[in-house]
Amino acid sequence: EPEVTQTPSHQVTQMGQEVILRCVPISNHLYFYWYRQILGQKVEFLVSFYNNEISEKSEIFDDQFSVERPDGSNFTLKIRSTKLEDSAMYFCASSLLTSGRDEQFFGPGTRLTVL
Amino acid sequence: DQQVKQNSPSLSVQEGRISILNCDYTNSMFDYFLWYKKYPAEGPTFLISISSIKDKNEDGRFTVFLNKSAKHLSLHIVPSQPGDSAVYFCAASGANTGNQFYFGTGTSLTVIP
Repeated sequence: EPEVTQTPSHQVTQMGQEVILRCVPISNHLYFYWYRQILGQKVEFLVSFYNNEISEKSEIFDDQFSVERPDGSNFTLKIRSTKLEDSAMYFCASSLLTSGRDEQFFGPGTRLTVL
Repeated sequence: DQQVKQNSPSLSVQEGRISILNCDYTNSMFDYFLWYKKYPAEGPTFLISISSIKDKNEDGRFTVFLNKSAKHLSLHIVPSQPGDSAVYFCAASGANTGNQFYFGTGTSLTVIP
């Protein structure tokens, strides 16, 4: 069964450093998303991506964040200068059809720890 | 701004009994609701969904009920099995939320053998 994969599973970084979280969505899916979950809190939407551009982003997704689909398979989330409060689980998701009406398939997550 | 709320952080149920997980929402524009299940160290897995044109959707042991007037939905698991032990998230979207799903904080279900 096709699945969304994410690497690394755990990333530890120093405050102020740049991190890139990687995702491989399901191959025939067209819409891609990043969510995050701070420990003990709800899963929060960050950004959605379609046709090589951001289609929607939340207030959390400020100028420190960027997304890219560098090739036909990878989808990345970059945090330019990490802050302590960026420590969270980051989930990538993909869907075949437009979101809001279609199931999103989630990856296993990357745990980001900012020291 | 907590648009989707799951007020019970945890629930314990005996194997074979019914598990009822509840979810409330505040945005009257939400019209599509999903339940996700999450095991430790894994991402959320889609379980079941319901659109606002229905008040019930059933898939095997899982049934979701939607009460639009109360802005409330619930997930029933009958009979509960130990493998159902996980965190359950409800999520919602609507015509005015674009691509976003709004998630609740989750309910941790423990099914006791």
